[in-house]
Amino acid sequence: AQSVTQLDSQVPVFEEAPVELRCNYSSSVSVYLFWYVQYPNQGLQLLLKYLSGSTLVESINGFEAEFNKSQTSFHLRKPSVHISDTAEYFCAVRVQGGKLIFGQGTELSVKP
Amino acid sequence: DTEVTQTPKHLVMGMTNKKSLKCEQHMGHRAMYWYKQKAKKPPELMFVYSYEKLSINESVPSRFSPECPNSSLLNLHLHALQPEDSALYLCASSQDPVAYNQPQHFGDGTRLSIL
Repeated sequence: AQSVTQLDSQVPVFEEAPVELRCNYSSSVSVYLFWYVQYPNQGLQLLLKYLSGSTLVESINGFEAEFNKSQTSFHLRKPSVHISDTAEYFCAVRVQGGKLIFGQGTELSVKP
Repeated sequence: DTEVTQTPKHLVMGMTNKKSLKCEQHMGHRAMYWYKQKAKKPPELMFVYSYEKLSINESVPSRFSPECPNSSLLNLHLHALQPEDSALYLCASSQDPVAYNQPQHFGDGTRLSIL
């Protein structure tokens, strides 16, 4: 069965510092991976996706994620975070039948 | 701004009430989903509609009844809910139900409180 593991439940970081949110997946077939962000009192917003092609994918707000097949990872990174990046981040894999399998989430807390 | 619209944003109801949650999308998507999310947890899939037909029911209690009147609308009818049903209910849609590479787009949810 496919699964997603987010290794850190909470990541506190100071403003303008770099951050990495870790995500590992297990799958025996081709994978389609997503990062979603959930700001307080809102729904989930698609941050970026890996479907095929280049293993490095970027979002419009400075986040990037690298698909690593050998390590079965899809870690999310940002070189310099802002207070406004404070949110819950979910890694997810799309599986047969259209389901999304989510990780448990990582709470990113950016402090001034 | 989200392209999936959910109403109401907040709902408080007693255990004997009947209410409905509504979801609407105008992106031409043919798959729609209901999720339940408890605080500090990932969303849990409840139902999937594919081309307006129910394709997945994740063993959800019958007090939750989904309905898809047309390709743009999705309802969730609620009756005789329990306090543990208090949660954020999220609606999502995707372009093609079986295409793995299509992301799901989420609404902002309805925060439901059962008294």
